[in-house]
Amino acid sequence: KAGVTQTPRYLIKTRGQQVTLSCSPISGHRSVSWYQQTPGQGLQFLFEYFSETQRNKGNFPGRFSGRQFSNSRSEMNVSTLELGDSALYLCASSSGTSGGLGETQYFGPGTRLLVL
Amino acid sequence: AQSVTQLDSHVSVSEGTPVLLRCNYSSSYSPSLFWYVQHPNKGLQLLLKYTSAATLVKGINGFEAEFKKSETSFHLTKPSAHMSDAAEYFCVASDYKLSFGAGTTVTVRA
Repeated sequence: KAGVTQTPRYLIKTRGQQVTLSCSPISGHRSVSWYQQTPGQGLQFLFEYFSETQRNKGNFPGRFSGRQFSNSRSEMNVSTLELGDSALYLCASSSGTSGGLGETQYFGPGTRLLVL
Repeated sequence: AQSVTQLDSHVSVSEGTPVLLRCNYSSSYSPSLFWYVQHPNKGLQLLLKYTSAATLVKGINGFEAEFKKSETSFHLTKPSAHMSDAAEYFCVASDYKLSFGAGTTVTVRA
């Protein structure tokens, strides 16, 4: 099976712009989660989507949003970019069948976003 | 809510010697616990998962971890380090989301 794929791998944006990141889960997986990784804050949960619905959400401002399509692919959008949004954004997929509880999540390679 | 504390931010070992990465967790119920590894500029790779079926969990690449409820610990070990083990390791607790420890960077000396 192909793994989780994320596009693009690298992005450079300027403050105030918006950005959209894409994630394709492992075939058959219906849950997609997004994480932000920074040197200062480590790995933090953004949100999880299952069957096109946001099922769980972390503590990030409303500038961070996402969606999931009927084929389980997911996109994450960040509006009005700030310098502090520079990070590695990781997407993970899981089967989603146990309600997300304790499921193994499989990660993509990440999208590295640099905000100037 | 679950949380994880990795007791060492950096571990340095010689090639061929044992590796021990320490992790303590706090949870109000039996947790799902994982160890993931991240090599430079890569995503996270699953090493192993504790599922409550056995307290000693074997993972990939010779790693194993022991769940000790009385000590609320889930330490990761490998009997003999290899140069390719140099990476960052994360202990993770899971309910509906993953809660990551701060990570332990492992360096392996030749």
